Amino acid sequence: EPEVTQTPSHQVTQMGQEVILRCVPISNHLYFYWYRQILGQKVEFLVSFYNNEISEKSEIFDDQFSVERPDGSNFTLKIRSTKLEDSAMYFCASSEVQGQEDQPQHFGDGTRLSIL
Amino acid sequence: GIQVEQSPPDLILQEGANSTLRCNFSDSVNNLQWFHQNPWGQLINLFYIPSGTKQNGRLSATTVATERYSLLYISSSQTTDSGVYFCAVERVTNSGYSTLTFGKGTMLLVSP
Repeated sequence: EPEVTQTPSHQVTQMGQEVILRCVPISNHLYFYWYRQILGQKVEFLVSFYNNEISEKSEIFDDQFSVERPDGSNFTLKIRSTKLEDSAMYFCASSEVQGQEDQPQHFGDGTRLSIL
Repeated sequence: GIQVEQSPPDLILQEGANSTLRCNFSDSVNNLQWFHQNPWGQLINLFYIPSGTKQNGRLSATTVATERYSLLYISSSQTTDSGVYFCAVERVTNSGYSTLTFGKGTMLLVSP
């Protein structure tokens, strides 16, 4: 079964540095998402991406964050000037369509980001 | 925004016991997913169930969309069932795009 692939599985970065989290969505999917889960808390929506542009974003997704689909397969989340509170698990997800039966969002295994 | 409430927040079971986890949501939704987060942090999709009942082995789920709740049943629990169970609902926004809103989860511990 096709999977969403995320790299790296664990990223350790010094505060103030930039970090790029990478995702390879399922190949025939058109909608892409990033979610964040701070340790011990619930999963929160960050941003969705469709047709090479952001379709929705949450209040969390401020100017520090950006997303990009640099080629036909990768979908990246860039975090500039990282802060301690950016430490979290970041999940990428993709779906073929939206809002229809039998079309769930498929999640990757996550990247655990640790800011020192 | 939509509110998703899960109960109970914590649950401890003896191996072999059955349990029911509940998810209430505050507005109509397009879809609903149940996830199991394992100790390594991976989100494992259990069910995609906007309405009706589905079964997969020892797990089953029922969503009553008109009454805005979903139930996840775990029968004959095993220690490997331990972890956090999340309910997530999908709504289409005014702009025509959808996002998932997660509940806070139910932390399940199954002891031998």
